[in-house]
Amino acid sequence: ETGVTQTPRHLVMGMTNKKSLKCEQHLGHNAMYWYKQSAKKPLELMFVYSLEERVENNSVPSRFSPECPNSSHLFLHLHTLQPEDSALYLCASSQVGRTGAHEQYFGPGTRLTVT
Amino acid sequence: AQKITQTQPGMFVQEKEAVTLDCTYDTSDQSYGLFWYKQPSSGEMIFLIYQGSYDEQNATEGRYSLNFQKARKSANLVISASQLGDSAMYFCAMREVSRSGTYKYIFGTGTRLKVLA
Repeated sequence: ETGVTQTPRHLVMGMTNKKSLKCEQHLGHNAMYWYKQSAKKPLELMFVYSLEERVENNSVPSRFSPECPNSSHLFLHLHTLQPEDSALYLCASSQVGRTGAHEQYFGPGTRLTVT
Repeated sequence: AQKITQTQPGMFVQEKEAVTLDCTYDTSDQSYGLFWYKQPSSGEMIFLIYQGSYDEQNATEGRYSLNFQKARKSANLVISASQLGDSAMYFCAMREVSRSGTYKYIFGTGTRLKVLA
């Protein structure tokens, strides 16, 4: 596997279900991100982990719970979601340091539908 | 106020011609970075090109170049010799340092480019 992978690619869940999204990066990066992409809206940053520590939480509802067990893996645990949470969820990674562009590399996303 | 503005929701370009996608940004930081990403219908965001706020020369990567005008706060993407595979959504993004001291990336709403045969 290369780059950033995400599973599952598609997920349909009811409002009472509990599910998790998984992201894995094979780039040796030290920062990982969760984004939400809804139609006709800018990409919304949800969470940032740098060196496995959560450093950003952009007022995301508590029904979304991130977990970063190590620098290569990132999870997004979902429970009691709402229909407006239906979106494409993108994971990204980057190398944070003193120099360089620090560009982000994205996974293919999980298309989530809440029914 | 929006920090990244992409005023062109959709663009058409003839194959083999050049096209410019507009991006303006707003920041009070002295040090920042500007990026362009491509998102095909498959969904994955692909990094194209980067321009640092202190870089004096415009960035180029193959057929992509970034027209950086710092005083105007614009960072337009130029794609030369368009190909059918260039049809996609294009996002402009800015990297700032957040309050926590880490990097924060802000994206525009995107421009959908369609290359015509």
